[in-house]
Amino acid sequence: GGIITQTPKFLIGQEGQKLTLKCQQNFNHDTMYWYRQDSGKGLRLIYYSITENDLQKGDLSEGYDASREKKSSFSLTVTSAQKNEMAVFLCASSIVQQSSYEQYFGPGTRLTVL
Amino acid sequence: QQQVRQSSQSLTVWEGETAILNCSYENSAFDYFPWYQQFPGEGPALLIAIRSVSDKKEDGRFTIFFNKREKNLSLHIKDSQPGDSATYFCAGRGSALGRLHFGAGTQLIVIP
Repeated sequence: GGIITQTPKFLIGQEGQKLTLKCQQNFNHDTMYWYRQDSGKGLRLIYYSITENDLQKGDLSEGYDASREKKSSFSLTVTSAQKNEMAVFLCASSIVQQSSYEQYFGPGTRLTVL
Repeated sequence: QQQVRQSSQSLTVWEGETAILNCSYENSAFDYFPWYQQFPGEGPALLIAIRSVSDKKEDGRFTIFFNKREKNLSLHIKDSQPGDSATYFCAGRGSALGRLHFGAGTQLIVIP
């Protein structure tokens, strides 16, 4: 088995601040994802990385940067925190095979902007 | 445009009943449909999944019924238990390297 660790668990920032969220996985998965979860809106993809040194924009990438430092870690930066960005940010990883495509999720980072 | 839609934001059933959660999708190229279960304070976890070549997938009390022509699917939870109370997300994928598209989720409440 493996685990996805997200830090911090809770993040409180000021409007306009640059904030970084970190994710580590020990599954040895190639692909990693960042999602934003808002109540009633499901999971919206921000960025994903198919392999180390790869970066792909999702549906909600504006206002965010991402970095895949190494195979096991993927970080997300909120470039300028806005009041309407109070949400849960979920990191996930997966190995892509024809018969299996499970994404494993971390517990999330809960962001509050004051 | 929402590629995957879940028709109910919430659903309440009594313990022992069958809960039916509905999902529809836009993209005919989607070939893989997982359902994820999420408890408060946790990340989603894969519950059950179906490939588009099948019309039914069963795993214990959980069954997916899939209708490719109508582009919809449903998750049936037989003999619902209070411990099944959670949010359920339907998702679809377009190719082996494709990302998942998630629906907005259905919050299931099972009353004892």
